[in-house]
Order: sequence, then structure tokens, then C-alpha cells
Amino acid sequence: NAGVTQTPKFRVLKTGQSMTLLCAQDMNHEYMYWYRQDPGMGLRLIHYSVGEGTTAKGEVPDGYNVSRLKKQNFLLGLESAAPSQTSVYFCASSYTLLDLSQNYEQYFGPGTRLTVT
Amino acid sequence: GQQLNQSPQSMFIQEGEDVSMNCTSSSIFNTWLWYKQDPGEGPVLLIALYKAGELTSNGRLTAQFGITRKDSFLNISASIPSDVGIYFCAGQLHSGYALNFGKGTSLLVTP
Repeated sequence: NAGVTQTPKFRVLKTGQSMTLLCAQDMNHEYMYWYRQDPGMGLRLIHYSVGEGTTAKGEVPDGYNVSRLKKQNFLLGLESAAPSQTSVYFCASSYTLLDLSQNYEQYFGPGTRLTVT
Repeated sequence: GQQLNQSPQSMFIQEGEDVSMNCTSSSIFNTWLWYKQDPGEGPVLLIALYKAGELTSNGRLTAQFGITRKDSFLNISASIPSDVGIYFCAGQLHSGYALNFGKGTSLLVTP
């Protein structure tokens, strides 16, 4: 299993440009999450999804949109990038219906490093 | 979200020393998780704690879920150079909910 994968790994955008970050998981997890990590900070939740076709806002949702059209994929979109969105973005997933013993544990992807100039 | 207070912010130790770090919150959690993050990588789960008072080990790592459910600590015994990284605590109220992260403890180990 590849676990959680993210594409791209790096990206540089100009202010006002748009882009989509892709997260994919092959663990048949129900829940997926997008976090951002800034220097000296822990991870902060942007949006999350508790199942295919459902999404919800997290702690810092402004300027981002998400979609979960397929269970294994969770997309994070920036419609009009701003320098304040320069960060490292992590996707995570958790909770398999058939394995309740691990339903609290989130597994993270390797991250996408985004710079907005 | 609830920001956790993690300390110390950084540690610089010699190989072979033991390390202790802790995390406190003003709110209770039902789960405490400890992650390690290497440079340029995503966080990797080290230990998960599900019950107040629980003490769990993973090799040289030992973590405890505080009795008040508002704190947790992580100990690393006999540190080695590959222990270098940033250690994050995370609390969770319910399954599926987002994790509330501490700001991390940066560990440096000299040979």
C-alpha cells in the first residue's frame, strides 16, 4: 500500500492564480483531512470530509475549497492564491469501518510545499 | 481549534540521554497521539493513547495519557541520532474529529 499520497510535491504560484492539490489514499479510509503547517506552528485544519460527497469547514477554511467525489480522493482548491497561503499542506486520512480499533489514528501524506509570490 | 501547550520548544542533548516532553490542554480529550516529523516529510504516528492513565510503549518510546485527560507526556530513552526531528502531540475529542496539535518539540541529538 502507498498509504497517503499528495501531488504535486512543490508548486510556485503568482498572486491570483488558481490551483488544485490532490490527495489520494488506498487504505479504504472514510475520513480525510487537509491541514496547513506554518513555521513554528502545529498543523491547523482547513477542511475535512467524513465520507464521499461530504465536506466540512475546519479552523482556517477561508480562501480554500474542497471536493470529495471519490472515497479515495480529496481535492483542495485555491481559487485566487494569496501570499498568506504560502505554506506546507498535508493531507491525512483515518477510520476504516471494519477496523474500529484504529479509528482515531490519522495517517499523513508527505506534504505539498506551496509558495505564492 | 484548541491549541495545545507543548514543552519544551526545543531540546539539544547528547546521544544516550533520556528525553521527556509534555503537552497540556485546557480542554479534555478522549485520545492523545504523538507524531514525529522528519525534515521535508509528513508526520508519522508514534503512539496512540485511548484511556486516561494509560501508559504505552513503542520500543524506546513511552507515552502516558494523563489522569485528568488534559495532558500527556512522551519519554524517549537512550536517544540516538536518528531520533532527531520534531515531535508533535495531538489531542482528539471524538473519532473522526480533527486533531488539535501542539506547536512541536524540536529534538537535536549529538553523537
